[in-house]
Amino acid sequence: SAVISQKPSRDICQRGTSLTIQCQVDSQVTMMFWYRQQPGQSLTLIATANQGSEATYESGFVIDKFPISRPNLTFSTLTVSNMSPEDSSIYLCSVQGQGDEQYFGPGTRLTVT
Amino acid sequence: AQSVTQLDSHVSVSEGTPVLLRCNYSSSYSPSLFWYVQHPNKGLQLLLKYTSAATLVKGINGFEAEFKKSETSFHLTKPSAHMSDAAEYFCVVSYSGGYNKLIFGAGTRLAVHP
Repeated sequence: SAVISQKPSRDICQRGTSLTIQCQVDSQVTMMFWYRQQPGQSLTLIATANQGSEATYESGFVIDKFPISRPNLTFSTLTVSNMSPEDSSIYLCSVQGQGDEQYFGPGTRLTVT
Repeated sequence: AQSVTQLDSHVSVSEGTPVLLRCNYSSSYSPSLFWYVQHPNKGLQLLLKYTSAATLVKGINGFEAEFKKSETSFHLTKPSAHMSDAAEYFCVVSYSGGYNKLIFGAGTRLAVHP
């Protein structure tokens, strides 16, 4: 399975500001995914990011709020824009394995005050 | 549409006793099913996966799950719980509607008591 790292591991941010989360994979992958896990909740897919194309967003998530970059096959960023306390969550990136399974990074714990 | 329902939000067992975490799925085709575990302040780890091969799937750390199409179930079991098994467990179905999307259940928090 791929080794995935995320930066930062956690952050505390002021409302109205933006935070960019980085996801690095140790091998080339076609598809990367970004999830949100709100406190005490399950995971919800934000978007799917393919290299060289626009990210595909799930219902309820928009590019203006969560812009995503995918400059190459080992790296992606997710920006949480104009943050509010409701954005306090764990944000996780993942990559697809050889089958349908996905492997996850350690997550970024965001607190918005 | 694909979905999963985890029937228990919390399960509490004593160390050394069996573990049963229940999951029912809904899918209009033969699904891929997974169990993931999330330990406190840790990332998600794949425990096991079912992909239409053997209906009894063995995973890591002594866990296994049985796919029962007639019951649309994919329950997770372990014969003997260990303190280190205390964690959040997610039953997951894969949606292959043009791209691979995982749909997560609400999760079951497993507590293991000495």
